[in-house]
Formats: sequence, C-alpha cells, structure tokens
Amino acid sequence: SQQGEEDPQALSIQEGENATMNCSYKTSINNLQWYRQNSGRGLVHLILIRSNEREKHSGRLRVTLDTSKKSSSLLITASRAADTASYFCATDDDNNNDMRFGAGTRLTVKP
Amino acid sequence: AAGVIQSPRHLIKEKRETATLKCYPIPRHDTVYWYQQGPGQDPQFLISFYEKMQSDKGSIPDRFSAQQFSDYHSELNMSSLELGDSALYFCASSLVGGSYEQYFGPGTRLTVT
Repeated sequence: SQQGEEDPQALSIQEGENATMNCSYKTSINNLQWYRQNSGRGLVHLILIRSNEREKHSGRLRVTLDTSKKSSSLLITASRAADTASYFCATDDDNNNDMRFGAGTRLTVKP
Repeated sequence: AAGVIQSPRHLIKEKRETATLKCYPIPRHDTVYWYQQGPGQDPQFLISFYEKMQSDKGSIPDRFSAQQFSDYHSELNMSSLELGDSALYFCASSLVGGSYEQYFGPGTRLTVT
C-alpha cells in the first residue's frame, strides 16, 4: 500500500453537508499537506500541518493530525458544489524530505 | 498493491546537460501525468498522455519533451537544463473509464548545478 492513503476513495454529499476525508501514512513526517485538484490538472495547496500540531483551521477547512496513529483528516464544512474536486494528502518523509502523495478522495457535492 | 514507480529518485545534473526521467504507471492504468514542483511551490501540471498519445499540455517548456511507450511507461526528456529546472518531478497515473483518481509516484528530485 502507498504512503499517504486517503479514504474514502470517493465521497458524494449534498450541498451544505460536511465532508470528511482521512489520510494514513507509514513513516515519520515533518509535515502533512492537503491539496485540491480540479479536472485532473494542477494541484492547489490547501493547508499544511506540522508534525507537532494537532489541529489547524482555514476558513471552512479543518485539519487534524494524529501522529500516534499516523493519520490525518480533512473536514470541509458547509460544502458547496464548487468544492467538487479530488483531494490529496501529501507527506514529507522525515528521512529524506521526499514528498508522498496519497491516492486521493474524489468529492462530489450535489447542488 | 503496486504503485507508480519513478526513476531515478534523485538526479544531479549540470547546466546545459540533459536528463531523462522515467515513470512506470500502476498496471492497467492507461494515463500518465507529469508535474513539476519547485521549492515551496504547488505542483504544476506539465503534460499528460492517454493510450500513448498526448492528451493535455500544461506549462511544459519547449526544452522538455515526453512520450508514453507501448508498455504505458512514460519518459520526460529535459534538455539544456537550467538552474530553475531544479525541482521535484512527480508522475501520476490513472485509468480512464475507471474512477479517474490519479495515483502519484514518489517523485524524482532533480538538482541542476
């Protein structure tokens, strides 16, 4: 299995609902980042959480990090149709600073 | 489960040299994407291939070229390297007709000196 695995792989919700995506990883990390990708093109950085942080907020985004369980979650509150995209977590390996992307969660928000 | 394989993992080149990065997609995936991520920047889409044909083109410099081979692996060829080409190069693969999720490889870190 891959470093930075997200679940679920696909999530479909109604506008206004909250969306929660999870990410697990295997090695020690310096930080974990969440990215959004529209239409299979570039990745847009959403939020970075460092290994010594447990929770961060940015607008409607809330990210948690549990280093003991090697997992992170991304919560999007009050979702909008425009939130429809793929969401990836990426970790940087504490040993060599290489980044690892997970497989991504495809979020569909229905109007 | 098999993942996307990229080689080499690290590469050091001098200015004006050439470099070739390789990407082996997940078995049965038919689409390959290349991304470039500079220091402190978001990954930028370069180019993609579907069934060995170029399907989309992003901000790929003219000095770079890429192709997808019959076994679906892809190579990114970079010539006349510049210092600004130093970056992490990611390859991702997906299966058109499947769930469209892109699976990213570990990246190749290119350093141009």
